[in-house]
Amino acid sequence: KQEVTQIPAALSVPEGENLVLNCSFTDSAIYNLQWFRQDPGKGLTSLLLIQSSQREQTSGRLNASLDKSSGRSTLYIAASQPGDSATYLCAVDGGKLIFGQGTELSVKP
Amino acid sequence: NAGVTQTPKFQVLKTGQSMTLQCAQDMNHEYMSWYRQDPGMGLRLIHYSVGAGITDQGEVPNGYNVSRSTTEDFPLRLLSAAPSQTSVYFCASSPTFTNTGELFFGEGSRLTVL
Repeated sequence: KQEVTQIPAALSVPEGENLVLNCSFTDSAIYNLQWFRQDPGKGLTSLLLIQSSQREQTSGRLNASLDKSSGRSTLYIAASQPGDSATYLCAVDGGKLIFGQGTELSVKP
Repeated sequence: NAGVTQTPKFQVLKTGQSMTLQCAQDMNHEYMSWYRQDPGMGLRLIHYSVGAGITDQGEVPNGYNVSRSTTEDFPLRLLSAAPSQTSVYFCASSPTFTNTGELFFGEGSRLTVL
């Protein structure tokens, strides 16, 4: 059974800092891995999708990497801003999409 | 395009009542799914559909029914609501059903069962 873990559960950083969010999964037989953003009281917005054959994807200040052999993905946020404050979730697709519990990020001005 | 639309946004039920959460998408997506989100539990898959007429169970299907008579609509039915079904429910869709690709979410339906 696929299990997805995100550490840390919460993170507070000052504005401008570069940061890394972590996602680990137990079954490497996946089609893809996605990172989502969720603002309070809202639905989820897809940020980056990494196919199983890819190592990383980039969008603006965001970079996501995937290492299937070790069951790990990281989301790197460069030059963080208060508007980046949200909960970030990773989800692994091995036929069914299984979510981690998320990392709640707070970026202080 | 409206994307994924969920109704109602808020609902309060009494134990034993039934109701249907509506989900519609206008992107001609094959794959649709329902999740519930609970504090400390993350998002858990309830049911999903890979096309009209085809549905399957997710991680936590008990107490919920679904049907997919059209590509656009994927309603979630609670037959006899229980307090344990108090949660935020999200509908999501994707263009394909194998290697789901980018998933599009609705804004959520917040259900309280008293």
